[in-house]
Amino acid sequence: DTAVSQTPKYLVTQMGNDKSIKCEQNLGHDTMYWYKQDSKKFLKIMFSYNNKELIINETVPNRFSPKSPDKAHLNLHINSLELGDSAVYFCASSQGWGGPYEQYFGPGTRLTVT
Amino acid sequence: RKEVEQDPGPFNVPEGATVAFNCTYSNSASQSFFWYRQDCRKEPKLLMSVYSSGNEDGRFTAQLNRASQYISLLIRDSKLSDSATYLCVVNRGGSEKLVFGKGTKLTVNP
Repeated sequence: DTAVSQTPKYLVTQMGNDKSIKCEQNLGHDTMYWYKQDSKKFLKIMFSYNNKELIINETVPNRFSPKSPDKAHLNLHINSLELGDSAVYFCASSQGWGGPYEQYFGPGTRLTVT
Repeated sequence: RKEVEQDPGPFNVPEGATVAFNCTYSNSASQSFFWYRQDCRKEPKLLMSVYSSGNEDGRFTAQLNRASQYISLLIRDSKLSDSATYLCVVNRGGSEKLVFGKGTKLTVNP
């Protein structure tokens, strides 16, 4: 069974569209994250939720809105997509918050905006 | 100064070689340190945590020097399967956010 899964794996869309990426973890973890890895390969945190509460909100355009319906799910909705949003988006989860917990990553969603 | 800086690489080594990666971090309040591995077009995976006393896992040895704010990873007897990008990861001092280095690409050649 996949520990952290994301859908879709690939997403090609045009500028101005709205799209969502879904993430689910079956590890029983309390904390989930969204990361963006751009073409220069830098992996940067965008958001983190702990027990469905938003605890990290980095400097991300407000076109990006995360939503956590329950501890096992963290979705990312992006409005008015721009060319610069093209990247790989990784979801991750960890056992908890406030300690040296390993983060488990999903396979990534490769978003291409044309 | 970047929060986490790594050797730019890439490293190309023959099988059986020993290779060392270095990483420096800027925030002296950082408390958690890790090495992650990322294969091409795959997700990052934890390779090992780094402890103050240094730690070893098979062919991999990680060291931490808090005074110099420096982390290292040593790989002995390199295998073809070690080819990947190695990411140095540090928590942002005073918070639990993890900051990832840009990574160092390693290619082990037959």
